[in-house]
Amino acid sequence: GNSVTQMEGPVTLSEEAFLTINCTYTATGYPSLFWYVQYPGEGLQLLLKATKADDKGSNKGFEATYRKETTSFHLEKGSVQVSDSAVYFCALSDPRTGNQFYFGTGTSLTVIP
Amino acid sequence: GAVVSQHPSRVICKSGTSVKIECRSLDFQATTMFWYRQFPKKSLMLMATSNEGSKATYEQGVEKDKFLINHASLTLSTLTVTSAHPEDSSFYICSARAGDVYSPLHFGNGTRLTVT
Repeated sequence: GNSVTQMEGPVTLSEEAFLTINCTYTATGYPSLFWYVQYPGEGLQLLLKATKADDKGSNKGFEATYRKETTSFHLEKGSVQVSDSAVYFCALSDPRTGNQFYFGTGTSLTVIP
Repeated sequence: GAVVSQHPSRVICKSGTSVKIECRSLDFQATTMFWYRQFPKKSLMLMATSNEGSKATYEQGVEKDKFLINHASLTLSTLTVTSAHPEDSSFYICSARAGDVYSPLHFGNGTRLTVT
């Protein structure tokens, strides 16, 4: 079946530090992969996506590369800001096996000045 | 583009009453919308898939009679929590796809329900 495993949080970093949030997946087909961000009290916003192997999604300084060989989609940012403090969700969707999205458990990030 | 609007953002109701939450796709049509529930510091739990013009598909363990879903048009789905109890207090989020099955989900801003 399909599933997403995400590193446990919370993660606390100083401003300008390097960020990595690990995400691995299990899928029976060829999924699309996504990172969503949730700010306090809000819904989820799409951060970036990749639809096939070796694709790199990027947005607002965040990047993630779809690695089929390691079934991973790790989120990275070279220099985090206080405004990046939020919860980050890794997700997959495999339209060939259904309409459903599968989410990781979320990783809370706090960036301190 | 691809905006999903959810209303209300917060609601407080008394135990035993019903609450309706609306989810609208503002600039696209959505034949399918998804309703999630989020517990504190937990991931999203898919409650049901709302299908325009037909019955919703509920996930295992979700009470159909308690969480009524109506998807009467291509831009509106509603979730009604009937006879609410304090354990129904939670953050409810709707979402929809703006494109084909390869496109991402777009989420509403969620509804914080508190049952007293």
